[in-house]
Amino acid sequence: EVQLVESGGGLVQPGGSLRLSCAASGFTFSDFHMSWVRQAPGKGLEWVAKIKGDGSEKYYVDSVRGRFTISRDNAEKSLYLQMNSLRAEDTALYYCARGGKFRFDHWGQGALVTVSS
Amino acid sequence: DIQMTQSPSSLSASLGDRVTITCQASQDIRNHLNWYQQKSGKAPKLLIYDASNLETGVPSRFSGSGSGTDFTFTISSLQPEDIATYYCQQYDNLPPLTFGGGTKVEIK
Repeated sequence: EVQLVESGGGLVQPGGSLRLSCAASGFTFSDFHMSWVRQAPGKGLEWVAKIKGDGSEKYYVDSVRGRFTISRDNAEKSLYLQMNSLRAEDTALYYCARGGKFRFDHWGQGALVTVSS
Repeated sequence: DIQMTQSPSSLSASLGDRVTITCQASQDIRNHLNWYQQKSGKAPKLLIYDASNLETGVPSRFSGSGSGTDFTFTISSLQPEDIATYYCQQYDNLPPLTFGGGTKVEIK
């Protein structure tokens, strides 16, 4: 069974940093693109970043490029999102999702990030 | 960036009704469109991929059609468990992958 479990969310002040993690199991992690998708409170879905299976290619939505870094450790079957220079508008539930090349076929339960003073 | 315009933003229908949601892309995306269901407090779930293919395990009352810029998602007979928000998502020209704004489906 495919499982994705996020961790690392929390409350952070504007300008601060946070690192999200996603532990994957139940599939060959290195075979798949992985993505982060976020959802602001009461809003729709927004794709944030994706990384190729071997980590060689990374892409970001314009609003986070230069502030967020996606990475992965295939030996540990883990996906990460390093978030720096956080803003109030980054407040959201962050989902780890399998996919990013075509479709997102499995999702985690989400990690809540709140940016507030 | 490709913009995805979904309509309506919300709808109310009776149990057993046929429900239709549309998604329009700002440019030709061929059949590179997926549909997701998100129930309250839960993660999204993939229902339809490549515009018309039913994901494994998804009930056959759900269907999708379309290509180019205009797409349709249909629930043939609305059930209580279908109460959710539905999103379309394109993957033709990325990054970024983009989602529609969502359609909230409620029971009348």
